[in-house]
Amino acid sequence: DAGITQSPRHKVTETGTPVTLRCHQTENHRYMYWYRQDPGHGLRLIHYSYGVKDTDKGEVSDGYSVSRSKTEDFLLTLESATSSQTSVYFCAIRFGQGWNSPLHFGNGTRLTVT
Amino acid sequence: ELKVEQNPLFLSMQEGKNYTIYCNYSTTSDRLYWYRQDPGKSLESLFVLLSNGAVKQEGRLMASLDTKARLSTLHITAAVHDLSATYFCAVKIGETSGSRLTFGEGTQLTVNP
Repeated sequence: DAGITQSPRHKVTETGTPVTLRCHQTENHRYMYWYRQDPGHGLRLIHYSYGVKDTDKGEVSDGYSVSRSKTEDFLLTLESATSSQTSVYFCAIRFGQGWNSPLHFGNGTRLTVT
Repeated sequence: ELKVEQNPLFLSMQEGKNYTIYCNYSTTSDRLYWYRQDPGKSLESLFVLLSNGAVKQEGRLMASLDTKARLSTLHITAAVHDLSATYFCAVKIGETSGSRLTFGEGTQLTVNP
């Protein structure tokens, strides 16, 4: 267990509503990532963070924003949810500064936009 | 833009047989990772390959990395039903704070009795 908690685990929402997903860690790791998983696409990076208030865009960032006001929480917000954002969202954490260890993933949030 | 391609995307094999999954990537990288995912579950790390020529083995799975060919393989020996899962390779791109992983589409493996 890498001490990563995603919430909620499941959510159904309507088109046009705002949605915030939370990733919480207990071990003060610096680097955190949000991916989405869709059939035929593997996992695609949405946004990532390399410290408090330090974030950057990934390959599929349109329609998403993030915030990281404290080390342990990385929030992903869909300002106005669309059906194309129906997906499984995974948070991941990198332990340490280098890449000698893999990313560790949370259990995911299954989001359905109707 | 880095592209990571896995093949095959779907693999159905019999127990006891051997097979190889391939992961090709389009730009220079010095790190490659293999993950396993069971249906409805999170991703579990299998191997971390840190240099050219790296080979790692765990049970019936063996992974290798050729950075010059930009190719990694995941070899399955004498498959068993418990290996049925989706396997992803992921390649590190970028440097320092901007570094991140790019994933392949995944290979869905089904091992039949």
